[in-house]
Amino acid sequence: QQQVKQSPQSLIVQKGGISIINCAYENTAFDYFPWYQQFPGKGPALLIAIRPDVSEKKEGRFTISFNKSAKQFSLHIMDSQPGDSATYFCAASETNFGNEKLTFGTGTRLTIIP
Amino acid sequence: DAMVIQNPRYQVTQFGKPVTLSCSQTLNHNVMYWYQQKSSQAPKLLFHYYDKDFNNEADTPDNFQSRRPNTSFCFLDIRSPGLGDAAMYLCATSRDRAGGTGEQFFGPGTRLTVL
Repeated sequence: QQQVKQSPQSLIVQKGGISIINCAYENTAFDYFPWYQQFPGKGPALLIAIRPDVSEKKEGRFTISFNKSAKQFSLHIMDSQPGDSATYFCAASETNFGNEKLTFGTGTRLTIIP
Repeated sequence: DAMVIQNPRYQVTQFGKPVTLSCSQTLNHNVMYWYQQKSSQAPKLLFHYYDKDFNNEADTPDNFQSRRPNTSFCFLDIRSPGLGDAAMYLCATSRDRAGGTGEQFFGPGTRLTVL
């Protein structure tokens, strides 16, 4: 029940295209859903996050879509650039239950080709 | 800039030789975490501290220990490293527990090699 399932495992997108990564969860107590971006040899960095009271959040070229009833959320990267090539992890946590442990998805290696 | 700092960035040790990795933070966050990340895998939580309250994950081997002498510093001790412990070790912090944003700030990691 604590799992977060992420797909695809790897993704290749043409420059300027839309990259879409999907995640699904089962624990309905999760109330915070961040996406982390990790470059090789670096620690993950928070990219964008959403709470279940909204269905969408947009920051620049990055958008999270959230479907509470389906227990799914996804990251959309518009106008994908070579600099977006990285590994992306979705995650979830139960912040309101005094438990800030992040449950990570398995990661998606994104490659943007010119 | 407020940040999470890990030292060393690269650590080579011999099989069975104890090693200590360090993490410091200038964010004044209450919670500090240690993760193990193997190649092409998600970070795996080993343990975390809320202030001085230590929380061990059920599947963290006894070979891994941690110390937090003060708010700013946290150490990961691997008592007898095995070849399977070669990984990137990530330290992270978060501001608070209940009602917090949940955001964790990660350090750059220490790459551990076991020979």
